[in-house]
Amino acid sequence: SQKIEQNSEALNIQEGKTATLTCNYTNYSPAYLQWYRQDPGRGPVFLLLIRENEKEKRKERLKVTFDTTLKQSLFHITASQPADSATYLCALDEAAGNKLTFGGGTRVLVKP
Amino acid sequence: GAVVSQHPSWVICKSGTSVKIECRSLDFQATTMFWYRQFPKQSLMLMATSNEGSKATYEQGVEKDKFLINHASLTLSTLTVTSAHPEDSSFYICSATGQGADEQFFGPGTRLTVL
Repeated sequence: SQKIEQNSEALNIQEGKTATLTCNYTNYSPAYLQWYRQDPGRGPVFLLLIRENEKEKRKERLKVTFDTTLKQSLFHITASQPADSATYLCALDEAAGNKLTFGGGTRVLVKP
Repeated sequence: GAVVSQHPSWVICKSGTSVKIECRSLDFQATTMFWYRQFPKQSLMLMATSNEGSKATYEQGVEKDKFLINHASLTLSTLTVTSAHPEDSSFYICSATGQGADEQFFGPGTRLTVL
């Protein structure tokens, strides 16, 4: 099965800077990859989906890249704000049936 | 759009009792619903996948007789934790996806504490 690695160390960043998170996977390249935000005690909130034939996707201050050669996705939060503080999860589909496998998540703390 | 609700948001029960958790898609028809469990400081672990009108498909290591899943309509799935024990205490989260869609929309989660 797919193994997904996200940096388990919290990312502390100054307000206004760009936060960059990494998601690496080990096995087959998924048809698509998703990023979610999760706040403490809450369910994940869908942010972005990028397909295997897409290199980059943007949504407001968020940008996701997908490199199937490196087996890696990068997630960027530009002009970060304290309200962006949360845990960010990447998830990969398991080839059929829309099943997702989640990474362990990276906690982001944006300091004012 | 794409709102998923869960009820209750938290529940405390005694060991040996059963607890039912509801998951509803409020503004779309959910052909597939998923149930996850999340322990503190860990990521989401998929428990089972349910399609409307079909039996749920359970992940390896998840006891189907302990975690009963029913997906009777396109807007409602239920998870019943039977004969709950303290080790079943966790955060249970459902998600739903519509026909032909790839994105999953998650409910707010249910915190289960078994005493």
